[in-house]
Amino acid sequence: AQSVTQLDSQVPVFEEAPVELRCNYSSSVSVYLFWYVQYPNQGLQLLLKYLSGSTLVKGINGFEAEFNKSQTSFHLRKPSVHISDTAEYFCAVSSYNTDKLIFGTGTRLQVFP
Amino acid sequence: NAGVTQTPKFQVLKTGQSMTLQCAQDMNHNSMYWYRQDPGMGLRLIYYSASEGTTDKGEVPNGYNVSRLNKREFSLRLESAAPSQTSVYFCASSDWSSGHNEQFFGPGTRLTVL
Repeated sequence: AQSVTQLDSQVPVFEEAPVELRCNYSSSVSVYLFWYVQYPNQGLQLLLKYLSGSTLVKGINGFEAEFNKSQTSFHLRKPSVHISDTAEYFCAVSSYNTDKLIFGTGTRLQVFP
Repeated sequence: NAGVTQTPKFQVLKTGQSMTLQCAQDMNHNSMYWYRQDPGMGLRLIYYSASEGTTDKGEVPNGYNVSRLNKREFSLRLESAAPSQTSVYFCASSDWSSGHNEQFFGPGTRLTVL
């Protein structure tokens, strides 16, 4: 069985500061990894995904994530956040042989001026 | 190209009432999903459909039924609503057979059961 742990339920940060949202997963098979963003009162939108290849993945809105197989992590980073990045962020995992995603419980990023 | 659409956007029910949440996608995807989102619990899979004519239970199927009407449409039915079903419901679709597991989400239905 697979699982995803998002270690921080809330991350407050000031505008223009760097941010890292942490995600760890467990799986007995190889995985695909995803980060989704949910703005208030909206559905989820894909930020970035790791399927294979380079372990550093770049996504939309200046976000990037690094797949670390030995630490089973897929942390999301942005060097300088904006007020508009205030949202909830979900990490998700799936395996090669299934079409289902397992989601973490989410991290609420709050950016202050 | 509307992506994934859901109706209604909001609904208030009394305990014991029934309703159907509608979902449609125009991306020709084979797989479709229904999730519920509750504070602090992330998204939990209720039911999914890998292709037209097939449906399978997810993590939290009790109290729900689904119908994959055709390739485009996947509906979720609450036969006898309970307050524990107050939640935000999301429909999603994906083209798993292409090798990309990315799921595309609708805007959600906010359901309150009194």
